Amino acid sequence: DAGVIQSPRHEVTEMGQEVTLRCKPISGHNSLFWYRQTMMRGLELLIYFNNNVPIDDSGMPEDRFSAKMPNASFSTLKIQPSEPRDSAVYFCASRAGPATGEKLFFGSGTQLSVL
Amino acid sequence: GQQVMQIPQYQHVQEGEDFTTYCNSSTTLSNIQWYKQRPGGHPVFLIQLVKSGEVKKQKRLTFQFGEAKKNSSLHITATQTTDVGTYFCAVSQGGSEKLVFGKGTKLTVNP
Repeated sequence: DAGVIQSPRHEVTEMGQEVTLRCKPISGHNSLFWYRQTMMRGLELLIYFNNNVPIDDSGMPEDRFSAKMPNASFSTLKIQPSEPRDSAVYFCASRAGPATGEKLFFGSGTQLSVL
Repeated sequence: GQQVMQIPQYQHVQEGEDFTTYCNSSTTLSNIQWYKQRPGGHPVFLIQLVKSGEVKKQKRLTFQFGEAKKNSSLHITATQTTDVGTYFCAVSQGGSEKLVFGKGTKLTVNP
């Protein structure tokens, strides 16, 4: 199994540009999470999906952020327009089901730098 | 929302010394998970605790869940340089499916 796959690994962009981060969860996993990691705030949960449906997006910072999961094997996190304070590592994680006892499998993350 | 306090934020030890990190919640937890993130890497699941007073061991790592299910600890005996990284606890509360992470404890080991 290839695990959770994220792309790109690194993204450098200028303020105001649109950024799209991509994630392919582990096949058969029904829950998908997007986290953002910074030194100051640690690992923040942005949004999570069950069976491709967004369940809780209360962690999404503002309207500039949006996430979609058009099918079970693909999700995107979009920032438009991007700002320097969005610079962080963005992780996607999946788990087999919605049960709280299931462990998360993380992707390698996308290091985003907004200049 | 559910929050969990994790201490200490940083811990530097000499190789061979023990290390402990703690997670504390103001509310009762249904379960708690522990993850390790190596420098430059991503969080990797270590273990889950579910029962009150539960103790689990993985080689030199000992995990405990408090009797009241409001706190947990991870103890490493005789640290090695391979233990370097950040250790996170993660919790969900009641029926919530969200997994919220503590701020983590960054462990450095001096050889």
